[in-house]
This record gives sequence, structure tokens and C-alpha cells, in this order.
Amino acid sequence: EAQVTQNPRYLITVTGKKLTVTCSQNMNHEYMSWYRQDPGLGLRQIYYSMNVEVTDKGDVPEGYKVSRKEKRNFPLILESPSPNQTSLYFCASGGPYNEQFFGPGTRLTVL
Amino acid sequence: KQEVTQIPAALSVPEGENLVLNCSFTDSAIYNLQWFRQDPGKGLTSLLLIQSSQREQTSGRLNASLDKSSGRSTLYIAASQPGDSATYLCALSGYSTLTFGKGTMLLVSP
Repeated sequence: EAQVTQNPRYLITVTGKKLTVTCSQNMNHEYMSWYRQDPGLGLRQIYYSMNVEVTDKGDVPEGYKVSRKEKRNFPLILESPSPNQTSLYFCASGGPYNEQFFGPGTRLTVL
Repeated sequence: KQEVTQIPAALSVPEGENLVLNCSFTDSAIYNLQWFRQDPGKGLTSLLLIQSSQREQTSGRLNASLDKSSGRSTLYIAASQPGDSATYLCALSGYSTLTFGKGTMLLVSP
């Protein structure tokens, strides 16, 4: 089954404790991206990757890092999480010319 | 910068009604437009993709249109059902990103 998977699905952590949210796709897509969704602000892009070892900032990259060492994986790294990074995070793959598929989401709470 | 507006923000209809959700955008230089469905606290499910060169797409009871010249897209849902209750998002694809509207929250009552 073609899918985008994210782990963990839910995470509660404390300020400053480094964390990684993993994202993996099995559709051989070159393009992958990360979004965060916040009430009243909608979905905003954090980072995107056009291919292996090619990443670039989206609209709200501050406080986040990414890496793309393999085509199927695109982890999101928060090196020193802060409460304003409490959000619902989505990984996506497939675009920009084609249909994009989204993962199930990761709900992150930073205390 | 692309701006996407969805009207109405919320809509409540009785079961069986046909309905139209609207999406307007400011920049017609797009690759495609995608409509998504999101259930509360859940992920995004792709409903329809319209390429920039196309005018409409249909899937079952859903029909989406695209008019780049006027900066508008509509999602038509025929014979609505309670299971259609969700938030519907339109998203415009540019070079590097999808730009989303804030969504229309639809409630279909039995």
C-alpha cells in the first residue's frame, strides 16, 4: 500500500530536549516536505526537499532542521524545542507537479 | 506571494443537499490545485487533483473545477451524506510548496 508514515504519532516533551520526528514514504517520490498546522493559521510549510541531499527552507523554518540522506526518509529535527513549537506536524511526499500525499500527523506538545 | 481564501468558513446542510465549496487564489502561476479532506485531529486525504491545464475533475459524487483566469476553484458535492462531514481544504501547488486555504468546515445533518 502506497503511504507516508510518521513516528511518533503523539509526543509530549519538555523545553530543550532534542527530538526527531521520522517520516518515510514507499512511493519512490523525489519531493518531500514538512508542514505544521495551527488553529487560525492553517498549514504552513517548514522545510522541503527536492531530492536526496537537496533541502530548502519553507515559510517557517526557525527552530527546525531536516536531512535527506535517503530518498524514502525525511526526518524533522527539533534540537531545542520550545512551547511555541507545540503543533500538529505533517509530512508529505509527491509534489510539486503531482498529487501530494500526507502522513497521518504527529501531535507534539512542548511543556 | 500566493494567498488562498475559502468561503464559507463553515457550512451546515441537511443530508441529501447538493453543495458548493469555494476557493479563490491570487496567483494563477500554479502547477496544480488539490482538494483535501481532513477529519478532526486527523491527516489530510487527497480528494481531487486538477492540473493547471485542466478545467475540472470528477470522482464519484465530487466534482472540482478550476478557472485560473478568475483565480477560482469550486468543489461540488452531490447528494451530501453525514459521512461527508469534515473540513475541506484547497491547496495550490507552486514551485516548492503547497499553499493552503484555511478550509471550510462542513457539517451534514441526518
